Amino acid sequence: QVQLVQSGAEVKNAGASVKVSCKAPGYTFTNFYIHWVRQAPGQGLEWMGRINPNSGGANFAQKFQDRVTMTRDTSISTTYMELNRLRFDDTGIYFCARGSTSGFDFWGQGTLVTVSS
Amino acid sequence: QSALTQPPSASGSPGQSVTISCTGSSSDVGGYNYVSWYQQHPGKAPRLMIYEVSKRPSGVPDRFSGSKSGNTASLTVSGLQADDEADFYCSSYAGSNNWVFGGGTKLTVL
Repeated sequence: QVQLVQSGAEVKNAGASVKVSCKAPGYTFTNFYIHWVRQAPGQGLEWMGRINPNSGGANFAQKFQDRVTMTRDTSISTTYMELNRLRFDDTGIYFCARGSTSGFDFWGQGTLVTVSS
Repeated sequence: QSALTQPPSASGSPGQSVTISCTGSSSDVGGYNYVSWYQQHPGKAPRLMIYEVSKRPSGVPDRFSGSKSGNTASLTVSGLQADDEADFYCSSYAGSNNWVFGGGTKLTVL
């Protein structure tokens, strides 16, 4: 059974970094990209980037290019998204999703990141 | 990369049909048959409803259908039910290993 299980909520100060994990049991981890999608409070979905769990290679939306890192640990079927130099408008729910060009077929439960002063 | 354009709201009575549009450009919606649609209930993660313009994943009722003409994709929900009330988002591959979402449409079942 495909599941994506994310780490818990985080509260960070502006300027700090946050690292969110996404564990993917239930299928062959290296066969599917993992994408990260953000949702600000009351707002829509925003694609941040994706990582190839097999090679570790990643692609990012231009908006996040200089602040985001995506990594993976194949031994525990887990990917990580780290966002640096946090700003107040980075507050939101961060989702991981299994994806391909066809779409994002399984989603994590979301991780709330709150950026405060 | 600009977000795809969706109407902010749509509505219909139970049993009726409603269509939600998603307009992009030749660089995304019009350029690839990789449009997908997601349903999101409040406080929940999105759920894939349509992929590759018109294909339904296993478990999605056939009341949900998708299509595309030029730079505009559409999601039609037929036989509206109370549980269909949710936010709907379109997404498209935008080339160069980028994806883009629409701004979302709040579907209300009257």
